[in-house]
Amino acid sequence: GESVGLHLPTLSVQEGDNSIINCAYSNSASDYFIWYKQESGKGPQFIIDIRSNMDKRQGQRVTVLLNKTVKHLSLQIAATQPGDSAVYFCAEIYNTDKLIFGTGTRLQVFP
Amino acid sequence: DTGVSQNPRHKITKRGQNVTFRCDPISEHNRLYWYRQTLGQGPEFLTYFQNEAQLEKSRLLSDRFSAERPKGSFSTLEIQRTEQGDSAMYLCASSSGARQGPQYFGPGTRLTVT
Repeated sequence: GESVGLHLPTLSVQEGDNSIINCAYSNSASDYFIWYKQESGKGPQFIIDIRSNMDKRQGQRVTVLLNKTVKHLSLQIAATQPGDSAVYFCAEIYNTDKLIFGTGTRLQVFP
Repeated sequence: DTGVSQNPRHKITKRGQNVTFRCDPISEHNRLYWYRQTLGQGPEFLTYFQNEAQLEKSRLLSDRFSAERPKGSFSTLEIQRTEQGDSAMYLCASSSGARQGPQYFGPGTRLTVT
């Protein structure tokens, strides 16, 4: 199958540890943000979203933090599992309905 | 399976040929989006529809590209006179219509132009 993100920043974590993936977004007027997970040969899979009037949102094993002052998003994955291995993208929306994707991060989970 | 579906999953074509891709959104989703993704990059927006109306087109969408959503359900993306630079993954997404709402992606169509 194809490989997504051949030369992306890579985060390597041990199974069971927590992972933190960071993203700097581009526009201070962005008001909605989404994290996607993309496995090789597949389309992006929705993980979690957050609106700009929030600082933190939790899902199942995942937490997104938003710092509007420095235009920074992070995705925290608790108890990382081998199935979490993928490329992760943050995306922002401002002004229109189109998603603007950031540079992805490859997460590698080793035993 | 009630997710977004795309056909074909893979397409190999020779330069200069026309190709057409189809996207079936999640039922009852009135917004449908097309993105393009090249290796090592995040998806880039091409165009989107609300029902049958095409509301926005990216400058990436040259005049060789055309998208339709005639009945507000499935959509097609056609590329005429393909070029090698058109080789990419073409992704379709749909959403329920709320501006601040998730877009759900299909598996994509991988186009290779030889």
